[in-house]
Amino acid sequence: TAGITQAPTSQILAAGRSMTLRCTQDMRHNAMYWYRQDLGLGLRLIHYSNTAGTTGKGEVPDGYSVSRANTDDFPLTLASAVPSQTSVYFCASRMVGGVNNEQFFGPGTRLTVL
Amino acid sequence: KQEVTQIPAALSVPEGENLVLNCSFTDSAIYNLQWFRQDPGKGLTSLLLIQSSQREQTSGRLNASLDKSSGRSTLYIAASQPGDSATYLCAVELWANNLFFGTGTRLTVIP
Repeated sequence: TAGITQAPTSQILAAGRSMTLRCTQDMRHNAMYWYRQDLGLGLRLIHYSNTAGTTGKGEVPDGYSVSRANTDDFPLTLASAVPSQTSVYFCASRMVGGVNNEQFFGPGTRLTVL
Repeated sequence: KQEVTQIPAALSVPEGENLVLNCSFTDSAIYNLQWFRQDPGKGLTSLLLIQSSQREQTSGRLNASLDKSSGRSTLYIAASQPGDSATYLCAVELWANNLFFGTGTRLTVIP
């Protein structure tokens, strides 16, 4: 079982360009999440989705958008990247309402915006 | 807003020593608390999750406790090994989908 995959592994992006970070899970989890991790700030929630077709805003949603067309995929889009979006991005998923509510994380995407 | 603090930020111990990592949080109305491990350049691996109604959870050499009234959790690692070297993160779920993370404790176990 692959669990959660993220692509790309890393990316250098010019400011003003758009980019989509991909996330796919094969655990049939209903909920999915996007976090960014910055030195000294820890992980912060960007957007989440409780189930296919629904999304919600987290702590730091500005400049990002998400969609959840199906259970497995949860892409994160930066419409016009800025240098402050340089970070490591983690996708996570879990089965809300299951026996265990623990979140499972992908390997991350390291994004540098110049 | 929930504040999650982990002290110390870094810790070095000799192999075989028992150790305790601390996590404190400001809002005691939590759903659960989860401890993670993160290796350099990698994602997070879930270690233990404690529901708000529980006091502790154990997995192998790891034991996590939760005291909601004082806003504290500890992660106890018995007989530490060099392979335990990593950053340990605690995260508190205040309400559904709102997980607040601490900045972690970087543990080094010296052979």
